[in-house]
Amino acid sequence: SQTIHQWPATLVQPVGSPLSLECTVEGTSNPNLYWYRQAAGRGLQLLFYSVGIGQISSEVPQNLSASRPQDRQFILSSKKLLLSDSGFYLCAWRSSREETQYFGPGTRLLVL
Amino acid sequence: AQTVTQSQPEMSVQEAETVTLSCTYDTSESDYYLFWYKQPPSRQMILVIRQEAYKQQNATENRFSVNFQKAAKSFSLKISDSQLGDAAMYFCAYRSAWGNNNDMRFGAGTRLTVKP
Repeated sequence: SQTIHQWPATLVQPVGSPLSLECTVEGTSNPNLYWYRQAAGRGLQLLFYSVGIGQISSEVPQNLSASRPQDRQFILSSKKLLLSDSGFYLCAWRSSREETQYFGPGTRLLVL
Repeated sequence: AQTVTQSQPEMSVQEAETVTLSCTYDTSESDYYLFWYKQPPSRQMILVIRQEAYKQQNATENRFSVNFQKAAKSFSLKISDSQLGDAAMYFCAYRSAWGNNNDMRFGAGTRLTVKP
């Protein structure tokens, strides 16, 4: 069966520091991968999605970037964090053969 | 662009009772998919149920069922025999059958409280 992992689970970072969040999927190949951000008490905002290695599409201009160095690995990065980057970051995957997205456990990011 | 509206920020239900969460959406497309996701306090998003727009029969998953009204663009979730573990945020989501890979749209969510 397929599983999706995210780490770290929780992160506290100072403003201006770099960021790297990792997401990996097991049990499937060539998945579509997604990064979402969820502000406290709100819905999900799609940040990036990827349909293959090295292929990244950005939904909103922001302080963040994404990369997909391997088929089942998706990384969310920032060179300099802002206070507004605080939130809950969710990674999701979807098989190209079906319509449902499956989510990872998420990473809580607090920028101080 | 398609939008998803959940008009109930919060709902409450007594344990063992039934509750219905509302969702409406705006689209000009005829073929699409609708989803309900549950987000418990752990904050992991869990798929509850999904519905294909071309299917007239309402989807059911154990105690969870939907009332899909395509003409009205309504997709409500009914939870029967509510349990304490059903307490969570519930998100309605829409995905076009023809769009690109980025066109999943989520509502703002409904927080469900289950009273013992």
